[in-house]
Amino acid sequence: DAGITQSPRHKVTETGTPVTLRCHQTENHRYMYWYRQDPGHGLRLIHYSYGVKDTDKGEVSDGYSVSRSKTEDFLLTLESATSSQTSVYFCAIGAGDRGGEKLFFGSGTQLSVL
Amino acid sequence: AQTVTQSQPEMSVQEAETVTLSCTYDTSESDYYLFWYKQPPSRQMILVIRQEAYKQQNATENRFSVNFQKAAKSFSLKISDSQLGDAAMYFCALRGSTLGRLYFGRGTQLTVWP
Repeated sequence: DAGITQSPRHKVTETGTPVTLRCHQTENHRYMYWYRQDPGHGLRLIHYSYGVKDTDKGEVSDGYSVSRSKTEDFLLTLESATSSQTSVYFCAIGAGDRGGEKLFFGSGTQLSVL
Repeated sequence: AQTVTQSQPEMSVQEAETVTLSCTYDTSESDYYLFWYKQPPSRQMILVIRQEAYKQQNATENRFSVNFQKAAKSFSLKISDSQLGDAAMYFCALRGSTLGRLYFGRGTQLTVWP
């Protein structure tokens, strides 16, 4: 699993509540990513980070924010969860000679917003 | 814009036989990478094989090989001697110049019959 831990593994929450998902890595990789997976869409990039406090938006970033205060942790926050954010969320780290050439994924977090 | 299309939502194969999964893509970049990921029922995303666009030789990993047709923008995955453990959802993905920013197809569900 390339030393990636996502927590929680499952979460059920109510519309309008804040939610934070955590991704922790043990291998000191510079690049980290958050993707969401929905039926019929494959995986889509939400946000990514190329270093501590360096983040950028992906293609589906609306309604999400991220923070990276330490190399090993990358947090994804839904400030006010909506039903459209019900999804499986994957964290990934980028590894390779040029950093990010290969992505290795965590086990995912199933989030249900009721 | 970068897009990935998998035209086969479902495929099936008999154990020990060979199956080919199709993928076409579109990109305006000259330097890019192509990937196949496997997602079994455990939900884990597993990197199967990677192809650098600048390499003419098709990538091979044990029973998995690709047929990379750059001019046709085609990237198919061939699984030889299929095993029951190969049953999974397979995703084709494209990465351009932005490290780790993958664009995924919608996936092909592969069933392996004993």
